[in-house]
Amino acid sequence: TQLLEQSPQFLSIQEGENLTVYCNSSSVFSSLQWYRQEPGEGPVLLVTVVTGGEVKKLKRLTFQFGDARKDSSLHITAAQPGDTGLYLCAGARGGSNYKLTFGKGTLLTVNP
Amino acid sequence: DSGVTQTPKHLITATGQRVTLRCSPRSGDLSVYWYQQSLDQGLQFLIQYYNGEERAKGNILERFSAQQFPDLHSELNLSSLELGDSALYFCASSALAGGPGTGELFFGEGSRLTVL
Repeated sequence: TQLLEQSPQFLSIQEGENLTVYCNSSSVFSSLQWYRQEPGEGPVLLVTVVTGGEVKKLKRLTFQFGDARKDSSLHITAAQPGDTGLYLCAGARGGSNYKLTFGKGTLLTVNP
Repeated sequence: DSGVTQTPKHLITATGQRVTLRCSPRSGDLSVYWYQQSLDQGLQFLIQYYNGEERAKGNILERFSAQQFPDLHSELNLSSLELGDSALYFCASSALAGGPGTGELFFGEGSRLTVL
């Protein structure tokens, strides 16, 4: 059983469209991060959300952390081909060790 | 460029063999993490070292081992390789030791292991 479920698994859209991807769990996280991974590269951090209900914007990307800190969403406005990549959410839980749990990701393709 | 260097980038070997993957963390980062990424399992945490000592363990098989050296570089040793070990192996580094936090992980470009 995957601790963090991401949906959809695959998404192919045209340039200029809007989209939302989701990251859901039955567990509570102390913080949640979103990473983007491009082919042949490692994941790169986009944002970290910490507070339940928190909304963060990064240009055309809007990230939201659920009130109960169990889920998150990423909304992209007017998608561009450069947004193409694998979007991964990763949750951190409190404790003495720092272990990020990753979802399997949403593979986004934005067609020109 | 994340500042994390992994070698080799690609590795092809046979079942039953042993390989060593190497990672140099970002300058100044004391923590090194190893992750395995496959299509069916996604990115799975294997193990973390902080300043030379093991700090956290994830889904690491007994056939796998790792260490962090005094110069902070780390090696992941994979032995008695099986077909199912074929995957991308990522190293990441951070400045944090552990505990609940919001620190960023900086990932290398990964080592792609193919076991034939």
